[in-house]
Amino acid sequence: GAVVSQHPSRVICKSGTSVKIECRSLDFQATTMFWYRQFPKQSLMLMATSNEGSKATYEQGVEKDKFLINHASLTLSTLTVTSAHPEDSSFYICSARDPQGTHEQYFGPGTRLTVT
Amino acid sequence: AQSVTQLGSHVSVSEGALVLLRCNYSSSVPPYLFWYVQYPNQGLQLLLKYTTGATLVKGINGFEAEFKKSETSFHLTKPSAHMSDAAEYFCAVSDLRRGANNLFFGTGTRLTVIP
Repeated sequence: GAVVSQHPSRVICKSGTSVKIECRSLDFQATTMFWYRQFPKQSLMLMATSNEGSKATYEQGVEKDKFLINHASLTLSTLTVTSAHPEDSSFYICSARDPQGTHEQYFGPGTRLTVT
Repeated sequence: AQSVTQLGSHVSVSEGALVLLRCNYSSSVPPYLFWYVQYPNQGLQLLLKYTTGATLVKGINGFEAEFKKSETSFHLTKPSAHMSDAAEYFCAVSDLRRGANNLFFGTGTRLTVIP
């Protein structure tokens, strides 16, 4: 149980285009999901907290108009990178909070975004 | 505020040798602590966690960690390294302040196992 999937696993796009990344909880309902960004050989940095049915909470320094987050259902959160630039190239990982109320998070396999 | 420090960005051990990955934390409240493992181009997998109770926590793949409040540490150990243990390891502390269970990660330690 507690499986989180991400789609796509890899995406290459051209500068100026937008890319949508999906994060799904496959066997449980996730009222809270998190989006992280990981640069090569670095740690995960929390970008935003996504709550079902409400606006996402963005961490300081993260542009909410550039990284659009939608959590329209209890099993799906999406991250859209708008007007992508090469510096947006990164590994994006989502996670879902344990529905049992513990402090554990279940992580998706990540999405490698390359902007050319 | 919560923060995590992992000493040593790279650790190399011989196969069969003891694995010790260090983690120190800073927290203004009793912490919830986690160790995650990440294999190349994959997400994170939980190895073990400390919330309350016994300070020596056993996890998957033979790993364990001990919460030492006096030392603000949560070091990860494994008695005998296996080739399959080669990966990136992240220590994390849970942010309880906003009730959203955010995780703050250390910078990670890359474990290399030498045959």
